[in-house]
Amino acid sequence: EIVLTQSPGTLSLSPGERATLSCRASQSVSSSYLAWYQQKPGQAPRLLIYGASSRATGIPDRFSGSGSGTDFTLTISRLEPEDFAVYYCQQYGSSPRITFGQGTRLEIK
Amino acid sequence: QVQLVQSGAEVQKPGASVKVSCKASGYTFPNYGISWVRQAPGQGLEWMGWISAYNGNTNYAQNLQGRVTMTTDTSTRTAYMELRSLRSDDTAVYYCARDRFVASPNDYYGMDVWGQGTTVTVSS
Repeated sequence: EIVLTQSPGTLSLSPGERATLSCRASQSVSSSYLAWYQQKPGQAPRLLIYGASSRATGIPDRFSGSGSGTDFTLTISRLEPEDFAVYYCQQYGSSPRITFGQGTRLEIK
Repeated sequence: QVQLVQSGAEVQKPGASVKVSCKASGYTFPNYGISWVRQAPGQGLEWMGWISAYNGNTNYAQNLQGRVTMTTDTSTRTAYMELRSLRSDDTAVYYCARDRFVASPNDYYGMDVWGQGTTVTVSS
């Protein structure tokens, strides 16, 4: 089973700052099969990034994804107030077909 | 617009079963699969399994094998998830999500459309 470990668990930043969220896999993941989601309290997750670096429809360009192999990164270039949420990485492929990281909470400093 | 609308909240006793529905609109239902994901209170996301709306093929998470069944009804554009032998730790919000364009099985575009979630509470 591929385990995804996200760090940090909680990230405290101010609006306007840059956020860097990490997702590390226990074994190599195809870049094509790595996605990122944002979840706000009481809401369903929202797809941000697929294929490690492709933005989903309607996602602002301040969100970017990068990485390969076992190390992936979600970067938010300049934080807006609405960006404070929980972020999850997810891989597709090896059995179990899909696993999620445990999440990174991005909170206002 | 493309959307998934789920059935309402459920309260069930331990040992009972629950069946959650997920009705699709705004896209060609058989062209995609549906994943089911649950989230226990204050916890992260747990993938439960996937079903192809094209041919009904399924892939379940190993820890739920034998307790979960996913089905689709293409005539009503609805996916279903049934979970049996409920336990208190099955208490969670259950989401359906559009997942995988079945004509391109080697491409992955993430879970791009989500239902609003269905709260299932298991309590005696």
